[in-house]
Amino acid sequence: QKEVEQDPGPLSVPEGAIVSLNCTYSNSAFQYFMWYRQYSRKGPELLMYTYSSGNKEDGRFTAQVDKSSKYISLFIRDSQPSDSATYLCAMSDGGATNKLIFGTGTLLAVQP
Amino acid sequence: SAVISQKPSRDICQRGTSLTIQCQVDSQVTMMFWYRQQPGQSLTLIATANQGSEATYESGFVIDKFPISRPNLTFSTLTVSNMSPEDSSIYLCSVEALLGGNTDTQYFGPGTRLTVL
Repeated sequence: QKEVEQDPGPLSVPEGAIVSLNCTYSNSAFQYFMWYRQYSRKGPELLMYTYSSGNKEDGRFTAQVDKSSKYISLFIRDSQPSDSATYLCAMSDGGATNKLIFGTGTLLAVQP
Repeated sequence: SAVISQKPSRDICQRGTSLTIQCQVDSQVTMMFWYRQQPGQSLTLIATANQGSEATYESGFVIDKFPISRPNLTFSTLTVSNMSPEDSSIYLCSVEALLGGNTDTQYFGPGTRLTVL
C-alpha cells in the first residue's frame, strides 16, 4: 500500500463548477499537509499549506484535513479554465529530514 | 517565496553519456532537494543536499549514478551518469520553505525534462 493515495483522474468539469480533490494516507505521523498545482511543463507551485486538522480558505480554494480519517481535500469554487492543471497532495511528519511524500496527482480539466 | 531556476530546461541525450543539471536559488537556504517525476508516478525524492556535507540518498538511488554537489547556500548540481532510456524523466530541484514558523514545505524549480535515446 502506498503511503499516499490520490485518484489520478482525469477529472473534467464545466466552468463554474465546484471541484473536490482528495487524498488518503496511511501514516498517522503526518502533520503538515500541502496542495501543489502543476501546469503542463512547469514545476509544482505551492497552493495551500495546512497544519494538523481543520479547514483553511484562500480565495476560491479551501483545504480540509481530517486526521481521524486520514483524509485531505481541496475544494475549488467557481472553477475557471485557468485552473486546469495537475493537483498534487503532499504531506510531512515534521521530522528533521523535511521529507515530503507526494500523491500521484489528479489531472483537472475545466471546460469553458 | 524563493525563485528557483534550473538549467537546462530540457535535453535529449545519448545512452551512456552523463548530464549535469544546475539549480540556482535567489536566497540562501540550508536544504535543497532533488526529485524525479516520471509519467503517472509521484514525485520521488532522489536525495537531500545540505551545504558542507555529503548528500543523503533515498532508497534506490546511489551516489555513483546521481552525484550531487552543493558548493554554497544558493546552488546545487545533480548529475545523471551513464544514462539509459529508463532515466528519461523530469528532474526537479526544490528548497525548504519557511511558512508559519516551520520549514516543512518546499518550493520547486521549473524542472529539467530529460530524454535519453
